[in-house]
Amino acid sequence: EVQLVESEGDMVKPGGSLRLSCIASGFTFSSYAMHWVRQAPGQGLEWVSSISRTSAYIYYADSVKGRFTISRDNAKNSLYLQMNSLRAEDTAVYFCAREALSGYTNDFWGQGTLVTVSS
Amino acid sequence: DVVMTQSPLSLPVIPGQPASISCRSSQSLVHSDGNTYLDWFLQRPGQSPRRLIYKISNRDSGVPDRFSGSGSDTDFTLKISRVEAEDVGVYYCMQGTHWPPTFGGGTMVETK
Repeated sequence: EVQLVESEGDMVKPGGSLRLSCIASGFTFSSYAMHWVRQAPGQGLEWVSSISRTSAYIYYADSVKGRFTISRDNAKNSLYLQMNSLRAEDTAVYFCAREALSGYTNDFWGQGTLVTVSS
Repeated sequence: DVVMTQSPLSLPVIPGQPASISCRSSQSLVHSDGNTYLDWFLQRPGQSPRRLIYKISNRDSGVPDRFSGSGSDTDFTLKISRVEAEDVGVYYCMQGTHWPPTFGGGTMVETK
């Protein structure tokens, strides 16, 4: 069974940092590109960042570029999102999602983790 | 970025009755490889999104056949032939043809 389990979120102050993890199981993690997608409270879905299978290709939404860093460790079946210089508008549930082998779509999502940025 | 516009915002439905959700994109979603990467997701209350349909009309494994997707180019539709209680939640369309991937604003389906 495919599973994506995000680490527990947290409340951080504006300007602070937080690292999210996503542990994958039930599939060959190294064969799949991975994404982070977020959802602000009561709002819709916003793509945040993507990383290719070997980390050769990395992309960010303009809203997080220069502040967030996506990475992965295929030996540990793990995806990460390092979030620095956090702002109130980064408050959201963060989902890790697997990109389908065929590309262009996310076929499995984690349960999500809440990050709250507040003083 | 490609703007995805869903309607209606909210859709109250009597169980057993059909439902239809529209999704329009600001530009054609036909990829240079000939495919159209338009998906539909359902997010039940308190859960993460679950993909129902990919490439306009392909149902994911385990998705009941009362769900169907159709459309082309910039205009897409998700239909539920007979709404059941478990279908309640927010439905999102998503395009993967153009970078970055973008989502519609969501349609909340609730039973009357």
